[in-house]
Amino acid sequence: DTGVSQDPRHKITKRGQNVTFRCDPISEHNRLYWYRQTLGQGPEFLTYFQNEAQLEKSRLLSDRFSAERPKGSFSTLEIQRTEQGDSAMYLCASSLGVGEQFFGPGTRLTVL
Amino acid sequence: AQKVTQAQTEISVVEKEDVTLDCVYETRDTTYYLFWYKQPPSGELVFLIRRNSFDEQNEISGRYSWNFQKSTSSFNFTITASQVVDSAVYFCALGDNAGNMLTFGGGTRLMVKP
Repeated sequence: DTGVSQDPRHKITKRGQNVTFRCDPISEHNRLYWYRQTLGQGPEFLTYFQNEAQLEKSRLLSDRFSAERPKGSFSTLEIQRTEQGDSAMYLCASSLGVGEQFFGPGTRLTVL
Repeated sequence: AQKVTQAQTEISVVEKEDVTLDCVYETRDTTYYLFWYKQPPSGELVFLIRRNSFDEQNEISGRYSWNFQKSTSSFNFTITASQVVDSAVYFCALGDNAGNMLTFGGGTRLMVKP
């Protein structure tokens, strides 16, 4: 499978815990994006990387959210001190330059 | 600020009918990108099309066609002879002038009944 992969697919956590999600982009894609999708809504942009550089992070929802892409390959999205309002689908996408963004299957987070 | 409006939240048609999904966008950028994605019940977003703001040619791909009208800031999507497999949520999205940050509309749920 050469598409975008995300791990885990589902995560259930208790309020106040930290969670980390991983995204592996399509191998030759240099850009990687994170979005959040709540039920019944369209995806909402969070941040993106070009290679290892995080070029836009002002849309991260709060300082509890952070993302990394240390070697310009896979990326992680961390949410610290989770809240019930963080429950959503977290989507990762990748592209080759300014190309179409291909999305992964998402990680569904449930905060109890 | 960029904004995408999909006024139709839900459309129901009978198989073989044609259906048009509306998309209206707002942007101050002179260069921008428009996209359509399909999200079937399985949940994974599937890319359908990308157009840049300088290319107003309509496009046809099989049963799908897109009508881009800059004058009305619209990028509508038509499915001809709909099929049950077309049932999904369809999202229109607007990309910034570098095509990076996509702003999505709220989506239109299309139900095609046999």
